[in-house]
Amino acid sequence: DAGITQSPRHKVTETGTPVTLRCHQTENHRYMYWYRQDPGHGLRLIHYSYGVKDTDKGEVSDGYSVSRSKTEDFLLTLESATSSQTSVYFCAISIDSTDTQYFGPGTRLTVL
Amino acid sequence: AQSVTQLDSQVPVFEEAPVELRCNYSSSVSVYLFWYVQYPNQGLQLLLKYLSGSTLVKGINGFEAEFNKSQTSFHLRKPSVHISDTAEYFCAVSDRSTGGFKTIFGAGTRLFVKA
Repeated sequence: DAGITQSPRHKVTETGTPVTLRCHQTENHRYMYWYRQDPGHGLRLIHYSYGVKDTDKGEVSDGYSVSRSKTEDFLLTLESATSSQTSVYFCAISIDSTDTQYFGPGTRLTVL
Repeated sequence: AQSVTQLDSQVPVFEEAPVELRCNYSSSVSVYLFWYVQYPNQGLQLLLKYLSGSTLVKGINGFEAEFNKSQTSFHLRKPSVHISDTAEYFCAVSDRSTGGFKTIFGAGTRLFVKA
């Protein structure tokens, strides 16, 4: 158990509203990731972080922003949610130089 | 750019039968290879990984995978499946040549084990 929690676990929101998802880890790992999972696409990287205030874009970053002000927390923000952002969002940490990843339980987001 | 192809989106199999889930990746000088499993309504968990050395890698729950560099494949196998193996399986590649930590995941293979 890598001690990763995500909140909320489920959220329903309306188009145009801002949404923030939180990922929290208890073991002070440097690398953290946000993915979205959609049928037929597997996991696609949204953003990742390699330290406090150090973040970079992934494959599908448009419409998302992130922040990491503390080692243990990595926030994902949808500035103005759209229906295309309805998905399951997973946070992950990387524990070593092989990039072996451990995942949180996921957040199911529905944008109406 | 690195890519990962899982050749079967769904694999139905009867209980106690053998199974092979196929994975191919685009060529690279040095890669780390992974299989992750996702049970219904859960996050992904590591099944096994290839870092170096022996090309046959054993993982949890009786699964194993073989790294084939010439065919750029990393197929997952189990000699006898159980109902509890029903899940989605993801192949992933971490490409060290990119200079960063960017693991690419395949689209997933849904394994259905029937009684």
